[in-house]
Amino acid sequence: EAGVAQSPRYKIIEKRQSVAFWCNPISGHATLYWYQQILGQGPKLLIQFQNNGVVDDSQLPKDRFSAERLKGVDSTLKIQPAKLEDSAVYLCASSVNRGETDTQYFGPGTRLTVL
Amino acid sequence: AQKITQTQPGMFVQEKEAVTLDCTYDTSDQSYGLFWYKQPSSGEMIFLIYQGSYDEQNATEGRYSLNFQKARKSANLVISASQLGDSAMYFCAMREGQRSGDKLTFGTGTRLAVRP
Repeated sequence: EAGVAQSPRYKIIEKRQSVAFWCNPISGHATLYWYQQILGQGPKLLIQFQNNGVVDDSQLPKDRFSAERLKGVDSTLKIQPAKLEDSAVYLCASSVNRGETDTQYFGPGTRLTVL
Repeated sequence: AQKITQTQPGMFVQEKEAVTLDCTYDTSDQSYGLFWYKQPSSGEMIFLIYQGSYDEQNATEGRYSLNFQKARKSANLVISASQLGDSAMYFCAMREGQRSGDKLTFGTGTRLAVRP
């Protein structure tokens, strides 16, 4: 079974530029999550999708971050314009969402550096 | 208040010995789940073990076991017979509520280094 795929793996941009990250979850996983992991911290949830609907985006900075999951499969996270503090690893995860022991499976992440 | 607290920023262990990584949590929910993830230098978060709040027995998965003390609100990870490949960051996480889609809250992690 293929895991969660993310691209690109690394991205360096200057502040005020825009950037987009792509995620393809594990086949059949209805729930998709985007996390931000700043150096030295644990991941923080930015947005959660159930199929193509948003379940939780309470911690997404909506003035600059946006995300979509149009066909209920892959997803794109965009930052526009980027700030220095957006430098972090952006992790995508997915889960089947079928029971209490359901586990989130993570992709390799995209490491963003904003100069 | 922090929902998940990992007080050990870094730990060393000798190869083949056991090590315990501490995790305490704070919740008023009766139903919750506790997870441990491993994050190697490659960056991917790897699921290790799960403990439900109603589980009476401690969870075990191979060399990993979770020492669950509900009254103390602690969920320590025990790794037996450490291997060099165990060197990584380890994160404790909690899911509040019964729904599997509920979000995870992570601690700040513990960096484990295994010495040969």
